[in-house]
Formats: sequence, structure tokens, C-alpha cells
Amino acid sequence: GNSVTQMEGPVTLSEEAFLTINCTYTATGYPSLFWYVQYPGEGLQLLLKATKADDKGSNKGFEATYRKETTSFHLEKGSVQVSDSAVYFCALSEVTNDYKLSFGAGTTVTVRA
Amino acid sequence: GAGVSQSPRYKVAKRGQDVALRCDPISGHVSLFWYQQALGQGPEFLTYFQNEAQLDKSGLPSDRFFAERPEGSVSTLKIQRTQQEDSAVYLCASRAGTSGREFFGSGTQLSVL
Repeated sequence: GNSVTQMEGPVTLSEEAFLTINCTYTATGYPSLFWYVQYPGEGLQLLLKATKADDKGSNKGFEATYRKETTSFHLEKGSVQVSDSAVYFCALSEVTNDYKLSFGAGTTVTVRA
Repeated sequence: GAGVSQSPRYKVAKRGQDVALRCDPISGHVSLFWYQQALGQGPEFLTYFQNEAQLDKSGLPSDRFFAERPEGSVSTLKIQRTQQEDSAVYLCASRAGTSGREFFGSGTQLSVL
């Protein structure tokens, strides 16, 4: 079956630090890959996505590249802000059942001023 | 409202009670999803509706869980004879069509004592 494994948290950083959250996946076929973010008190929001190998998703300064050879989709941001404090979830969906998302356990990121 | 609305925001139930959780999707959205998120875990897929048709209920953990969307808009997730292991945040999401971006509600936090 499908599964997503992401870096355990919590992660605490200072403002302007570099952030990486590792994510690897197991899936049949070629899934679409996503990063979702959950800010305190809010619902899950799509941050970025990639639908095929070597695609790079980007949004709000965050980037992730779909690496088929390493089955990875690591999230990076070069200079974090306090407002980036949130829980980040890596997820995938199959090509055939694209309505069904499989999520990782989430990584809590806290950015200190 | 502009987003997916879920009610109640919090629900406390005694073991053995029945509960009903409501989801108001974004108006006109065809697809509706329910997920269960246990503490410290990522969301797990429960069920999927396209209009009023329940196309996938493979994630419902037992026959105590039942979901409906009789008029293709509002959906209710019902849990009968609640157990402590049902304690979780229940997330609803909707999508305009049969593919594309999903929008999540803030969830209902269910605590079974």
C-alpha cells in the first residue's frame, strides 16, 4: 500500500534559518506528491505539489522536488519567518484514485524571532 | 461562508453514546471527503462523496461509522456506540470538481470519555 514517512519533529529554528523537512514515500505507480500546512487554529492548506518526476513545486518561498530515484519530496525554505510556524504534512495521491490522500505524521516547526 | 465549515468544533461524548458531525462544504463543490486525524498523526482517509453518491467508504474503521450526503451538499458523519479509540479530529474537505485542489475545514475534535 501507499505510505509516507516524514522527518519527526518538533523542529525549532531561528528566524532567517534554512529549513529542510525530509519526506520519503512508498507507492505503486507514479503518485502525485503534496505538502500541506496547518497554521495554529486553521484547517489544512495546500502549500505546493508536484505531479511527475523532476517537477519542482514552489509557493511562499518553499520548494520541493519530486525525486523518483530516491522516492523523496523534501521541503525546503531558505530563510524562515516567525509566520512559518506551523505543522507541515507530506502527502501523496495515486493516479488512479486521486481523491484519496495518504499523509505523513506531520512535522511541527517553530520559528523563534 | 467562503470555506468549509464543520460543527461542532468540539464534542465530548461518553463511551457508548452516538454522535453526529456536520460538514458544510464550499457551495457548489461536487466532491466531499472525510478524514480522521488521531493525536500526533496525519489524517487518514475515511470516505468520499461525489454529489450524493458515496463512491468510496473503504476507510471507515467499522460498521459503527456511517456517512451520508443526501442532497449532495451538507454531509454528516455519524458514529454509533462511541469508543475511546474514536477520539480524534475529524476533518472534512471539499473540491469543486472530481479533481483539483481540496479545501479543508478546521475539523471537529471528538473526545470519548
